[in-house]
Order: sequence, then structure tokens, then C-alpha cells
Amino acid sequence: DAGVTQSPTHLIKTRGQQVTLRCSPKSGHDTVSWYQQALGQGPQFIFQYYEEEERQRGNFPDRFSGHQFPNYSSELNVNALLLGDSALYLCASSGTSGSRNIQYFGAGTRLSVL
Amino acid sequence: AQKVTQAQTEISVVEKEDVTLDCVYETRDTTYYLFWYKQPPSGELVFLIRRNSFDEQNEISGRYSWNFQKSTSSFNFTITASQVVDSAVYFCALSEQGGSEKLVFGKGTKLTVNP
Repeated sequence: DAGVTQSPTHLIKTRGQQVTLRCSPKSGHDTVSWYQQALGQGPQFIFQYYEEEERQRGNFPDRFSGHQFPNYSSELNVNALLLGDSALYLCASSGTSGSRNIQYFGAGTRLSVL
Repeated sequence: AQKVTQAQTEISVVEKEDVTLDCVYETRDTTYYLFWYKQPPSGELVFLIRRNSFDEQNEISGRYSWNFQKSTSSFNFTITASQVVDSAVYFCALSEQGGSEKLVFGKGTKLTVNP
């Protein structure tokens, strides 16, 4: 049973560029959440997708957008990259009955903005 | 507002020592969930435990145990007889409303277990 998978594992971009990160949830999960983890900090919630709609959003600017596909996979898009966007981006999935709100995380995508 | 505080930034112990990681939380909700996750150097957050606000029973799982006290808004985590493989960053997190809601994380405690 595959867990949460994210791609790519590492990414280097320059300021002003746009980036797309991808996430495949754990089998049977229908909810995907995205988090940003700066170095030495705890993860910060970006948003959550359920039934292809953004259900909840954290305190992040509109440069951060997302999408969920019918197969429950998800993308995180960041436009007009800033140096401060350099971080580990974590995807988490949840949704099976009995443990519905336990979020299982992928290994993350490490984004470096130069 | 929700907040999770992990006052210990780094802890270093020698193998076989017991170690307790502290977590204090703030929430206005009466229904909430508390979590502990482990983050090894590989980066993936590994789920360890979930407790709901109505269940204050302490829990033991092998060398791990958790002490949940609503009176002090604390959810502490103890590793008994620590091992080198326990070295990681440990995060405490809070989720309100009980569904697949956002997790609010503390800043983490880096545990180093030396041989």
C-alpha cells in the first residue's frame, strides 16, 4: 500500500518564477492538505482540498493556489516566487473512516528560490 | 486562537535514558484533537498518536507513553530507554473541530540520542 507520494523531491527556482508541486494521496484517502515548513520551524498550514474544492485556507497570499483532481491527487502552485518561499513543502492526506482526521504525510518537496 | 508551545528546542541524552518532551496548547474549542509526529532527517512526518479532548487516559505503546492533562493544557510525550534511532525532531500538533481540519504545529523539539 503506497503512502503519500510527492514530486519532485527537490527543486531550484529563481525569484519571480512559478512552480508546481504534485501530491498523490494514500490509497483510500480523499482529502489533501498542504503545509510549508521553513528551516527550524514547524509546518504551517497552507490549504486543504476535499471533493476538488478548497475547504480551508491558512494565512498565505493568493500567490499560493492549488487544485485537486477527480482521482484525489493534488497540485500546489506558487506564482511570483520570493526568496522567502524557500522551504520544505509537505503534503498530507486523510479521510478513511475510523481515523478520519489523522493526516499522513509525504516526504516533501524541498524548494530553493535563488 | 490555537497555539502549541514546545518550550524545549533541543534535548540531548545518552542511550537508555528516559526523556520527556513537553507540549502545552491553547484552544477555545471544547472539542479538539492532539497529535505527536516524528520527523527523521529524511523529512517525512511520521504519525505517532492522536488523542481527543474527551479522553484523558494516559497511553503507553511500547517504549512510548503520553500524559494528557486538560487542567494544565499539556500533552507530554515520554520515551523510555531511548535508542539512537529515536533521534529526530518531534512535533506536537492541535486540530480543532475533530474533522480533517488543519493541524497547528509547535516549533518542534530536536532529540539527539547519543550512543
